[in-house]
Amino acid sequence: AQSVAQPEDQVNVAEGNPLTVKCTYSVSGNPYLFWYVQYPNRGLQFLLKYITGDNLVKGSYGFEAEFNKSQTSFHLKKPSALVSDSALYFCAVRDIPSGGSYIPTFGRGTSLIVHP
Amino acid sequence: DTGVSQNPRHKITKRGQNVTFRCDPISEHNRLYWYRQTLGQGPEFLTYFQNEAQLEKSRLLSDRFSAERPKGSFSTLEIQRTEQGDSAMYLCASRDRPNNEQFFGPGTRLTVL
Repeated sequence: AQSVAQPEDQVNVAEGNPLTVKCTYSVSGNPYLFWYVQYPNRGLQFLLKYITGDNLVKGSYGFEAEFNKSQTSFHLKKPSALVSDSALYFCAVRDIPSGGSYIPTFGRGTSLIVHP
Repeated sequence: DTGVSQNPRHKITKRGQNVTFRCDPISEHNRLYWYRQTLGQGPEFLTYFQNEAQLEKSRLLSDRFSAERPKGSFSTLEIQRTEQGDSAMYLCASRDRPNNEQFFGPGTRLTVL
């Protein structure tokens, strides 16, 4: 079984400061990991993914995430937050067992609020 | 616009009525997904198509829910005898290959009175 946890319902950060949105996962095999962002009344937009390779993944809008297998984490980061980054962020995981499902599991989301 | 589109964007209906939503995926994507999202939750998987074949259905998909993708292009999700608990955002997503990301549509917000 696969699961993902976003331990913070809300993250507050001042504009210009670094931000981190946390995600931990559980899978039986190797994970595919994704981050999406959702603005009010909109669908989800893809930010970045980890499939294999370099543990530091760079994505859209200056976001990056670090895959940490020992801590089963995939935290989203940005060096300098913008007010326009304020949105809902979702982490998703898909297990890669042999013959497994292609359905990802999404976390509950973390609301990021960037203060001017 | 070559993204995923969904219609209608909003639907208000009375309890007991039937509703149907449509999703048009990105044209070269053969995989299509339906999700339901309620306030404070992430998307919850409902069903998955590869081409016209419905390959997986969630336990969330009760007998009142049915989805089709007759020609492997657009898909419809029908909810019969709607209940107030069906009020949610219904999201459609598509992708081409299994390890690629999903592209989401803007969603259909259903309100059941």
